[in-house]
Amino acid sequence: DAKTTQPPSMDCAEGRAANLPCNHSTISGNEYVYWYRQIHSQGPQYIIHGLKNNETNEMASLIITEDRKSSTLILPHATLRDTAVYYCIVRVGSGYSTLTFGKGTMLLVSP
Amino acid sequence: GAVVSQHPSWVICKSGTSVKIECRSLDFQATTMFWYRQFPKQSLMLMATSNEGSKATYEQGVEKDKFLINHASLTLSTLTVTSAHPEDSSFYICSAADSYSNQPQHFGDGTRLSIL
Repeated sequence: DAKTTQPPSMDCAEGRAANLPCNHSTISGNEYVYWYRQIHSQGPQYIIHGLKNNETNEMASLIITEDRKSSTLILPHATLRDTAVYYCIVRVGSGYSTLTFGKGTMLLVSP
Repeated sequence: GAVVSQHPSWVICKSGTSVKIECRSLDFQATTMFWYRQFPKQSLMLMATSNEGSKATYEQGVEKDKFLINHASLTLSTLTVTSAHPEDSSFYICSAADSYSNQPQHFGDGTRLSIL
């Protein structure tokens, strides 16, 4: 069963912020929100994760709503190299728990 | 950041051949490793989970005798596709995690397997 819902595709102009939404209305109290991306013909790359507070790192920001039923990944200044499939995944935080990949959002960054 | 190395990145072989894919964690102890398969235009599908020193746990529908997984050390896991056939052609990806830490899983760059 899909635990997250993402739009199948989004477009973004180079240099603009890319805001990728994710719905996870059935998230449990001990589940984190993880974001990965997969550039064509490569393995997934970890981006960021959070439990309930907003998080920021050198790649992106993660905004989680107060009820934790949805979140937004923000790439502040998208580049052509950010073109990829972005996956939003919810799972418990321990390292041995599995990641279940949905279909993700194909983000196309254009010049 | 954590690095996971996967080898080979690309392999072509004849039907009936067995192929071994290696997955190494370069700068952390990978107590748990995961193997995924991805067909064209589809998402990643988990095949099996292996903990160091234990037998792998396979997902439903994945043949354990066809996809042999060994995780004998904290830095290396191998996936052997035995007697490969054209329908086994796919993109195989490993990931590794330290189950005693709060760090996320990190993925290798995948192995594209083509069986003729």
